[in-house]
Amino acid sequence: KNQVEQSPQSLIILEGKNCTLQCNYTVSPFSNLRWYKQDTGRGPVSLTIMTFSENTKSNGRYTATLDADTKQSSLHITASQLSDSASYICVVSAGSYIPTFGRGTSLIVHP
Amino acid sequence: SAVISQKPSRDICQRGTSLTIQCQVDSQVTMMFWYRQQPGQSLTLIATANQGSEATYESGFVIDKFPISRPNLTFSTLTVSNLSPEDSSIYLCSVGTGSSNREELFFGEGSRLTVL
Repeated sequence: KNQVEQSPQSLIILEGKNCTLQCNYTVSPFSNLRWYKQDTGRGPVSLTIMTFSENTKSNGRYTATLDADTKQSSLHITASQLSDSASYICVVSAGSYIPTFGRGTSLIVHP
Repeated sequence: SAVISQKPSRDICQRGTSLTIQCQVDSQVTMMFWYRQQPGQSLTLIATANQGSEATYESGFVIDKFPISRPNLTFSTLTVSNLSPEDSSIYLCSVGTGSSNREELFFGEGSRLTVL
């Protein structure tokens, strides 16, 4: 069964600090992995997308890594801001438009 | 990319009634999907809305409870029928674009439903 596990479930950090979110998956075959940011009361917004051959992708202060061998990905947030408070969802696709979603990591950034 | 407008953004409904959610896309798209997101949970696919044909429902979701219309390539509706408090959730419209291996999913802002 295709699964995507994210950790931690929730995280609280101080503004300006860095943090790393983890994603482990068992989706097969693998097509791509995406990280989404979902603000409270809003729809998810794509941050990065990585295919099998890509092991790192940056989008501003967000950097995603992918290890397709160990089926792990991480999302690193640098110099966190209050606006980074959101849920971060790891989404893994097997090649169709119907991917497997993780439950998300809820990040709270405190001033 | 695709810009998706969903209405209503939130609603409070009485048990036994129905709610219809509208999804409008700013471009023609083939693949349109409806998701449910319960509190603290990941997104669960309800159905794929196909233009000109019946929607394809995932296990656990049936047409009588979640009728879907897709009259053209830019618009779809999801109705949640015979509401119960268990239907309280966020419902999200999504569209798929892009080429093989790099397909993208874009989401609407969601419709938050509370059933009393």
